[in-house]
Amino acid sequence: DAKTTQPPSMDCAEGRAANLPCNHSTISGNEYVYWYRQIHSQGPQYIIHGLKNNETNEMASLIITEDRKSSTLILPHATLRDTAVYYCIVRVAGGATNKLIFGTGTLLAVQP
Amino acid sequence: KAGVTQTPRYLIKTRGQQVTLSCSPISGHRSVSWYQQTPGQGLQFLFEYFSETQRNKGNFPGRFSGRQFSNSRSEMNVSTLELGDSALYLCASSLGDTYSGNTIYFGEGSWLTVV
Repeated sequence: DAKTTQPPSMDCAEGRAANLPCNHSTISGNEYVYWYRQIHSQGPQYIIHGLKNNETNEMASLIITEDRKSSTLILPHATLRDTAVYYCIVRVAGGATNKLIFGTGTLLAVQP
Repeated sequence: KAGVTQTPRYLIKTRGQQVTLSCSPISGHRSVSWYQQTPGQGLQFLFEYFSETQRNKGNFPGRFSGRQFSNSRSEMNVSTLELGDSALYLCASSLGDTYSGNTIYFGEGSWLTVV
């Protein structure tokens, strides 16, 4: 089972910041939080990941709470092309594995 | 550099047939994982290969198999196709070391329709 909980859908106005929440209350100390998005009929696209510090790249910012039980992905200026399903994933830790467990994600609809 | 490449992108097969899908990982990546995506079950992990060895496997029947070659390219095979195998099959690659912070990149997928 997925180790994260996300709202099934969210709306955002074009040009505004989109803040996508994720709960991962059972996260372990050495597990990372990853965010991917999937635009219809395409493969998931990597956005950002973090362990405990806030992270920022050219696509988004990731804010992780101090207790690491939740995080927020921020798209600073959402565009119509950001409409997609966003997946928050806790990376399975321990051993040599690159397995990702996807939940149902959040469908972000950016409105003009 | 080139991303993860999957072939074919679209294919139609008949029940009972078998299918082979191919994946070329990003240059330098040694881990290749496969996922199945259906409307009902979402994205599910099939298996992962690293240095030609399967090191993790999801909960799928034995009809689903895979392999990895010495150049890290991978193939997955589904035998005795069923209608329920219709799905988007995704390949993902990463450096593959045990550092859990390395990034996994996905290909565009192969759309399989079983009729």
